[in-house]
Amino acid sequence: AQSVTQLDSQVPVFEEAPVELRCNYSSSVSVYLFWYVQYPNQGLQLLLKYLSGSTLVESINGFEAEFNKSQTSFHLRKPSVHISDTAEYFCAVSEAGGSYIPTFGRGTSLIVHP
Amino acid sequence: GAVVSQHPSRVICKSGTSVKIECRSLDFQATTMFWYRQFPKQSLMLMATSNEGSKATYEQGVEKDKFLINHASLTLSTLTVTSAHPEDSSFYICSARVGGAGGNTEAFFGQGTRLTVV
Repeated sequence: AQSVTQLDSQVPVFEEAPVELRCNYSSSVSVYLFWYVQYPNQGLQLLLKYLSGSTLVESINGFEAEFNKSQTSFHLRKPSVHISDTAEYFCAVSEAGGSYIPTFGRGTSLIVHP
Repeated sequence: GAVVSQHPSRVICKSGTSVKIECRSLDFQATTMFWYRQFPKQSLMLMATSNEGSKATYEQGVEKDKFLINHASLTLSTLTVTSAHPEDSSFYICSARVGGAGGNTEAFFGQGTRLTVV
Protein backbone atom coordinates (compact mmCIF):
# COMPACT_ATOMS: atom_id res chain seq x y z
CA ALA A 1 0.00 0.00 0.00
CA GLN A 2 1.07 3.55 -0.62
CA SER A 3 0.58 6.73 1.32
CA VAL A 4 1.13 10.38 0.56
CA THR A 5 1.95 13.20 2.93
CA GLN A 6 1.52 16.81 1.96
CA LEU A 7 3.20 18.66 4.75
CA ASP A 8 1.53 22.02 4.26
CA SER A 9 -2.22 22.42 4.32
CA GLN A 10 -2.00 26.02 3.20
CA VAL A 11 0.73 28.04 1.49
CA PRO A 12 0.22 31.80 1.17
CA VAL A 13 2.53 33.62 -1.21
CA PHE A 14 2.71 36.94 -3.01
CA GLU A 15 2.30 37.20 -6.76
CA GLU A 16 5.53 36.69 -8.73
CA ALA A 17 7.23 35.01 -5.78
CA PRO A 18 8.54 31.44 -6.03
CA VAL A 19 6.67 28.62 -4.35
CA GLU A 20 7.29 25.02 -3.35
CA LEU A 21 4.55 22.59 -2.36
CA ARG A 22 5.93 19.59 -0.58
CA CYS A 23 4.96 15.98 -1.11
CA ASN A 24 6.44 12.85 0.40
CA TYR A 25 5.28 9.33 -0.25
CA SER A 26 5.68 5.92 1.23
CA SER A 27 5.67 2.71 -0.76
CA SER A 28 7.31 -0.69 -0.76
CA VAL A 29 7.23 -0.89 -4.56
CA SER A 30 8.05 1.36 -7.47
CA VAL A 31 5.58 4.15 -7.97
CA TYR A 32 4.15 6.64 -10.39
CA LEU A 33 3.68 10.14 -9.05
CA PHE A 34 1.20 12.86 -9.98
CA TRP A 35 0.22 16.40 -9.15
CA TYR A 36 -3.37 17.46 -9.69
CA VAL A 37 -4.90 20.92 -9.40
CA GLN A 38 -8.46 21.60 -8.31
CA TYR A 39 -10.21 24.95 -8.72
CA PRO A 40 -13.24 25.71 -6.53
CA ASN A 41 -16.21 23.44 -7.17
CA GLN A 42 -14.46 21.66 -9.99
CA GLY A 43 -12.91 18.28 -10.57
CA LEU A 44 -9.22 17.54 -10.67
CA GLN A 45 -6.95 18.36 -13.57
CA LEU A 46 -3.64 16.63 -14.08
CA LEU A 47 -0.77 19.08 -13.74
CA LEU A 48 2.17 16.77 -14.30
CA LYS A 49 3.28 13.22 -13.75
CA TYR A 50 6.36 11.10 -13.30
CA LEU A 51 6.28 7.60 -14.74
CA SER A 52 9.92 6.91 -15.59
CA GLY A 53 12.96 8.51 -17.16
CA SER A 54 14.00 12.03 -16.28
CA THR A 55 13.29 12.80 -12.66
CA LEU A 56 12.39 16.41 -13.46
CA VAL A 57 9.00 16.84 -15.05
CA GLU A 58 7.39 20.05 -16.20
CA SER A 59 3.90 21.29 -16.91
CA ILE A 60 2.86 23.68 -19.67
CA ASN A 61 2.08 26.48 -17.22
CA GLY A 62 5.46 26.75 -15.56
CA PHE A 63 5.22 24.22 -12.75
CA GLU A 64 7.85 21.54 -12.30
CA ALA A 65 8.37 18.66 -9.92
CA GLU A 66 11.36 16.50 -9.20
CA PHE A 67 11.22 12.87 -8.23
CA ASN A 68 13.74 12.14 -5.50
CA LYS A 69 13.79 8.44 -4.78
CA SER A 70 16.22 8.60 -1.88
CA GLN A 71 14.10 11.17 -0.09
CA THR A 72 10.82 9.70 -1.34
CA SER A 73 9.68 13.15 -2.38
CA PHE A 74 7.99 14.77 -5.33
CA HIS A 75 7.88 18.47 -4.50
CA LEU A 76 6.11 20.89 -6.82
CA ARG A 77 7.73 24.21 -7.65
CA LYS A 78 7.08 27.32 -9.66
CA PRO A 79 9.59 30.17 -9.91
CA SER A 80 6.96 32.91 -10.22
CA VAL A 81 3.30 32.44 -9.34
CA HIS A 82 0.26 34.25 -10.64
CA ILE A 83 -3.03 35.08 -9.00
CA SER A 84 -4.63 32.48 -11.25
CA ASP A 85 -2.53 29.74 -9.64
CA THR A 86 -4.65 30.03 -6.51
CA ALA A 87 -6.15 26.56 -6.12
CA GLU A 88 -5.95 23.30 -4.23
CA TYR A 89 -3.08 21.03 -5.24
CA PHE A 90 -3.09 17.29 -4.67
CA CYS A 91 -0.14 14.95 -4.82
CA ALA A 92 -0.96 11.35 -5.72
CA VAL A 93 0.89 8.07 -6.01
CA SER A 94 0.06 4.79 -7.66
CA GLU A 95 1.82 1.48 -7.89
CA ALA A 96 3.93 1.22 -11.01
CA GLY A 97 2.67 -1.57 -13.22
CA GLY A 98 -0.18 -2.36 -10.88
CA SER A 99 -3.87 -1.66 -11.08
CA TYR A 100 -4.11 2.05 -11.41
CA ILE A 101 -5.82 3.45 -8.34
CA PRO A 102 -4.13 6.62 -7.14
CA THR A 103 -3.78 7.43 -3.48
CA PHE A 104 -4.13 11.13 -2.80
CA GLY A 105 -2.56 13.39 -0.23
CA ARG A 106 -4.82 15.69 1.76
CA GLY A 107 -4.06 18.63 -0.49
CA THR A 108 -2.30 21.99 -0.20
CA SER A 109 -4.18 25.19 -0.66
CA LEU A 110 -2.03 27.67 -2.59
CA ILE A 111 -3.16 31.22 -1.99
CA VAL A 112 -1.55 33.87 -4.14
CA HIS A 113 -1.88 37.44 -2.90
CA PRO A 114 -1.50 40.50 -5.12
CA GLY B 1 -6.81 14.76 -23.35
CA ALA B 2 -9.78 12.55 -22.67
CA VAL B 3 -12.94 14.18 -21.37
CA VAL B 4 -15.09 12.98 -18.52
CA SER B 5 -18.44 14.64 -18.06
CA GLN B 6 -20.30 14.51 -14.79
CA HIS B 7 -23.93 15.54 -14.36
CA PRO B 8 -25.43 17.32 -12.56
CA SER B 9 -22.83 19.75 -11.25
CA ARG B 10 -25.07 20.74 -8.37
CA VAL B 11 -28.14 19.14 -6.85
CA ILE B 12 -30.26 19.91 -3.82
CA CYS B 13 -32.62 17.24 -2.61
CA LYS B 14 -34.89 16.59 0.30
CA SER B 15 -33.93 14.18 3.03
CA GLY B 16 -35.18 10.69 2.25
CA THR B 17 -35.13 11.01 -1.51
CA SER B 18 -32.65 9.44 -3.93
CA VAL B 19 -30.27 11.22 -6.25
CA LYS B 20 -28.53 9.88 -9.34
CA ILE B 21 -25.20 11.23 -10.57
CA GLU B 22 -23.96 10.36 -14.04
CA CYS B 23 -20.37 10.03 -15.18
CA ARG B 24 -19.67 9.77 -18.89
CA SER B 25 -16.46 9.31 -20.82
CA LEU B 26 -17.08 11.41 -23.92
CA ASP B 27 -14.32 10.41 -26.30
CA PHE B 28 -13.00 7.12 -25.01
CA GLN B 29 -14.19 3.85 -23.57
CA ALA B 30 -13.67 3.38 -19.88
CA THR B 31 -13.72 -0.15 -18.56
CA THR B 32 -13.04 1.18 -15.09
CA MET B 33 -14.42 4.24 -13.38
CA PHE B 34 -13.82 5.45 -9.87
CA TRP B 35 -16.12 7.31 -7.52
CA TYR B 36 -14.69 9.63 -4.90
CA ARG B 37 -16.15 11.69 -2.12
CA GLN B 38 -14.51 14.89 -0.97
CA PHE B 39 -15.25 16.64 2.30
CA PRO B 40 -14.48 20.35 2.67
CA LYS B 41 -10.78 21.08 2.80
CA GLN B 42 -9.96 17.40 2.64
CA SER B 43 -8.61 14.96 0.14
CA LEU B 44 -10.51 12.61 -2.09
CA MET B 45 -11.76 9.46 -0.50
CA LEU B 46 -12.17 6.55 -2.86
CA MET B 47 -15.64 5.12 -2.44
CA ALA B 48 -15.74 2.42 -5.06
CA THR B 49 -14.31 1.13 -8.29
CA SER B 50 -16.85 0.59 -11.02
CA ASN B 51 -16.21 -2.06 -13.65
CA GLU B 52 -18.25 -2.28 -16.81
CA GLY B 53 -20.54 -5.27 -16.78
CA SER B 54 -19.79 -6.37 -13.25
CA LYS B 55 -20.44 -5.38 -9.68
CA ALA B 56 -18.63 -2.44 -8.21
CA THR B 57 -15.92 -2.92 -5.65
CA TYR B 58 -16.58 -0.83 -2.57
CA GLU B 59 -13.96 0.47 -0.18
CA GLN B 60 -14.17 -0.48 3.45
CA GLY B 61 -16.75 1.52 5.33
CA VAL B 62 -18.76 2.53 2.27
CA GLU B 63 -22.35 1.27 2.34
CA LYS B 64 -23.04 -0.40 -0.97
CA ASP B 65 -26.79 -0.37 -0.40
CA LYS B 66 -26.73 3.35 0.12
CA PHE B 67 -24.39 4.25 -2.71
CA LEU B 68 -25.57 2.21 -5.68
CA ILE B 69 -23.19 2.08 -8.62
CA ASN B 70 -24.14 0.92 -12.09
CA HIS B 71 -21.61 0.72 -14.93
CA ALA B 72 -23.88 -0.50 -17.69
CA SER B 73 -21.81 0.62 -20.66
CA LEU B 74 -18.23 1.49 -21.53
CA THR B 75 -19.03 5.18 -21.41
CA LEU B 76 -21.42 5.56 -18.50
CA SER B 77 -21.33 4.90 -14.79
CA THR B 78 -23.96 6.13 -12.36
CA LEU B 79 -23.90 6.68 -8.63
CA THR B 80 -27.24 6.74 -6.85
CA VAL B 81 -27.38 8.05 -3.32
CA THR B 82 -30.42 6.34 -1.86
CA SER B 83 -32.52 7.71 0.99
CA ALA B 84 -30.23 10.69 1.25
CA HIS B 85 -29.59 12.36 4.59
CA PRO B 86 -27.91 15.67 5.40
CA GLU B 87 -24.69 13.86 6.30
CA ASP B 88 -24.49 12.64 2.71
CA SER B 89 -24.01 16.22 1.60
CA SER B 90 -20.62 16.35 -0.05
CA PHE B 91 -18.70 16.81 -3.29
CA TYR B 92 -18.71 13.65 -5.38
CA ILE B 93 -16.17 13.19 -8.16
CA CYS B 94 -15.84 10.45 -10.72
CA SER B 95 -12.83 9.53 -12.76
CA ALA B 96 -12.29 7.21 -15.67
CA ARG B 97 -9.21 5.41 -16.75
CA VAL B 98 -7.98 5.14 -20.31
CA GLY B 99 -6.28 1.95 -21.37
CA GLY B 100 -6.10 -1.56 -20.04
CA ALA B 101 -4.44 -3.14 -17.09
CA GLY B 102 -1.18 -1.75 -15.84
CA GLY B 103 -0.08 1.44 -14.26
CA ASN B 104 0.98 3.41 -17.30
CA THR B 105 -2.42 4.97 -17.67
CA GLU B 106 -3.94 8.20 -16.53
CA ALA B 107 -7.21 8.90 -14.79
CA PHE B 108 -9.34 11.76 -16.01
CA PHE B 109 -11.74 13.45 -13.66
CA GLY B 110 -15.24 14.78 -14.01
CA GLN B 111 -16.04 18.27 -12.80
CA GLY B 112 -17.71 16.95 -9.67
CA THR B 113 -21.22 17.10 -8.24
CA ARG B 114 -22.08 19.19 -5.20
CA LEU B 115 -24.84 17.36 -3.36
CA THR B 116 -26.77 19.20 -0.68
CA VAL B 117 -29.41 17.30 1.27
CA VAL B 118 -31.88 19.48 3.14
